[in-house]
Amino acid sequence: AQSVTQLGSHVSVSEGALVLLRCNYSSSVPPYLFWYVQYPNQGLQLLLKYTSAATLVKGINGFEAEFKKSETSFHLTKPSAHMSDAAEYFCAVRPGYSGGYQKVTFGIGTKLQVIP
Amino acid sequence: NAGVTQTPKFRVLKTGQSMTLLCAQDMNHEYMYWYRQDPGMGLRLIHYSVGEGTTAKGEVPDGYNVSRLKKQNFLLGLESAAPSQTSVYFCASSYTPTSSETQYFGPGTRLLVL
Repeated sequence: AQSVTQLGSHVSVSEGALVLLRCNYSSSVPPYLFWYVQYPNQGLQLLLKYTSAATLVKGINGFEAEFKKSETSFHLTKPSAHMSDAAEYFCAVRPGYSGGYQKVTFGIGTKLQVIP
Repeated sequence: NAGVTQTPKFRVLKTGQSMTLLCAQDMNHEYMYWYRQDPGMGLRLIHYSVGEGTTAKGEVPDGYNVSRLKKQNFLLGLESAAPSQTSVYFCASSYTPTSSETQYFGPGTRLLVL
């Protein structure tokens, strides 16, 4: 069984401020973790993913996330928010097995608002 | 390289009508998926396919059927639309079934059932 909890369905930050979007997961096996971003009226696109290599993962557009097993967390951060970061962000988890279909469970999403 | 495309982009149906949503990918991906996105519920998997000619149920399959006659296409059918099927539908694909594989999403189809 697996699940994802995203704390805060809406987050507002000022332009230039730190972005922190929280994601906690539950998984009965070692997980693979993902962050996707959805811009208005578009599909989801991958920001970054953790696949049991380095615990600090760097993604596109200056985002990064750190896998913390002891806290079962995979929070997304960006040092300085830009207006173009306004979007909805989804955390996702799947079992870290290889081969065969493995279900991906998505969180409910966090809408990020960037205030000028 | 268009990636994943979806047709139509928007549709309004009356209760009881039927329709088919088309998903096409040009990346030679083996796996394809249909999700629905509803406010406060994230993405939920409707059906998926692990290859041409195969389909399987996801977590919310009732009221939907799918077909994968060609590797590049994945069709989602609503036989008798209901207001509860008002949603945004996303198709996605991935190259292999390995756990780390990224899913590539289409732009979505907005469906309103009256």
